[in-house]
Amino acid sequence: ELKVEQNPLFLSMQEGKNYTIYCNYSTTSDRLYWYRQDPGKSLESLFVLLSNGAVKQEGRLMASLDTKARLSTLHITAAVHDLSATYFCAVVRDDKIIFGKGTRLHILP
Amino acid sequence: DGGITQSPKYLFRKEGQNVTLSCEQNLNHDAMYWYRQDPGQGLRLIYYSQIVNDFQKGDIAEGYSVSREKKESFPLTVTSAQKNPTAFYLCASSIPTGVFGTDTQYFGPGTRLTVL
Repeated sequence: ELKVEQNPLFLSMQEGKNYTIYCNYSTTSDRLYWYRQDPGKSLESLFVLLSNGAVKQEGRLMASLDTKARLSTLHITAAVHDLSATYFCAVVRDDKIIFGKGTRLHILP
Repeated sequence: DGGITQSPKYLFRKEGQNVTLSCEQNLNHDAMYWYRQDPGQGLRLIYYSQIVNDFQKGDIAEGYSVSREKKESFPLTVTSAQKNPTAFYLCASSIPTGVFGTDTQYFGPGTRLTVL
């Protein structure tokens, strides 16, 4: 059974700091997504990671995938208040897509 | 502008009623999806469709039904058989390469359904 765990589930951090969100999954997967959700809003796609060692960066966010460890990370560099949101990873295997519970990120000015 | 629209934004339903949530896209995407989100949780897949006139059940299809008569439209009906329908419903679309595709999923703004 495919399971996805994110940690931490809640993170409060100061502007300018670096931090990493982790997404662990239980079985082999075909691809992994990262999404952002603002309160009461829809989801915005951030990254699609397809293969082992894949690394993608957009602004202060960088996502990576280690399929052998069944781990993806979302790294935040020099956080700014605008990055406050909930971040979800989602793992696809065959015809199943399983979302993590999300990491609620609160960046203090 | 290309995108996905969902209506209504808020919907209130009495117990025992069926309601239909609309999802329309003008992105020319073949694949469309319906998800449910409960407070503090990730999304769960209800149904998906990779092509017109074809759709498959997701993980929580019981109490829901869909149709895909047109490429642009993928309405979701929440039936009275769905025992706990209060949730935030999100529609998405993508260019599929395999199920769910290797490309970005684009999400609509969502419909918040409340059962009275």
